[in-house]
Amino acid sequence: GAVVSQHPSRVICKSGTSVKIECRSLDFQATTMFWYRQFPKQSLMLMATSNEGSKATYEQGVEKDKFLINHASLTLSTLTVTSAHPEDSSFYICSAPRSTGNTEAFFGQGTRLTVV
Amino acid sequence: DQQVKQNSPSLSVQEGRISILNCDYTNSMFDYFLWYKKYPAEGPTFLISISSIKDKNEDGRFTVFLNKSAKHLSLHIVPSQPGDSAVYFCAAKGSGSARQLTFGSGTQLTVLP
Repeated sequence: GAVVSQHPSRVICKSGTSVKIECRSLDFQATTMFWYRQFPKQSLMLMATSNEGSKATYEQGVEKDKFLINHASLTLSTLTVTSAHPEDSSFYICSAPRSTGNTEAFFGQGTRLTVV
Repeated sequence: DQQVKQNSPSLSVQEGRISILNCDYTNSMFDYFLWYKKYPAEGPTFLISISSIKDKNEDGRFTVFLNKSAKHLSLHIVPSQPGDSAVYFCAAKGSGSARQLTFGSGTQLTVLP
């Protein structure tokens, strides 16, 4: 079964509103989670690294004031897209690596955001 | 600058035959490589991985080969099945404590019945 749960899977919002996406690790604690964005027919692009108890680290070109990340507990990270615009429409995916060894990162189911 | 490249956006293979998906990388600091499978509107699911100290890892129908000198890895699926049709992403992890993955652009595999 899924070890990383992402919610919602699909959301449509009006331009100018904010949308919150949740990412939960289900059976392990994740001190670090990653948020990716995927445009159609393109790769997954890392947006930011979410760190439990501290500020997120954003990749170059990603607006931290627009994409607010909160990692309030060891099992939950949230991404809030503020003042959404149609160009923010995309597929957002979170992932969480297990804390030991070089094991694979587990991904959430993804969130399809459509801003109208 | 793309550090992980999948130069074939698509591949079609007949059921029962071998599928070979290729991936090239430029960063010699990558020490761990992974293959993920992704269906539309879903998150990627892990398939198989390989450490940079190895040149081959096999798991059932899936085998990953790593050629460090050529900075090239490949995923072999044999025999291919229609259910294998999906987008396959190659990913790499750098050495050190950072665990974020760098992804290739993906290859759409279609297995024809």
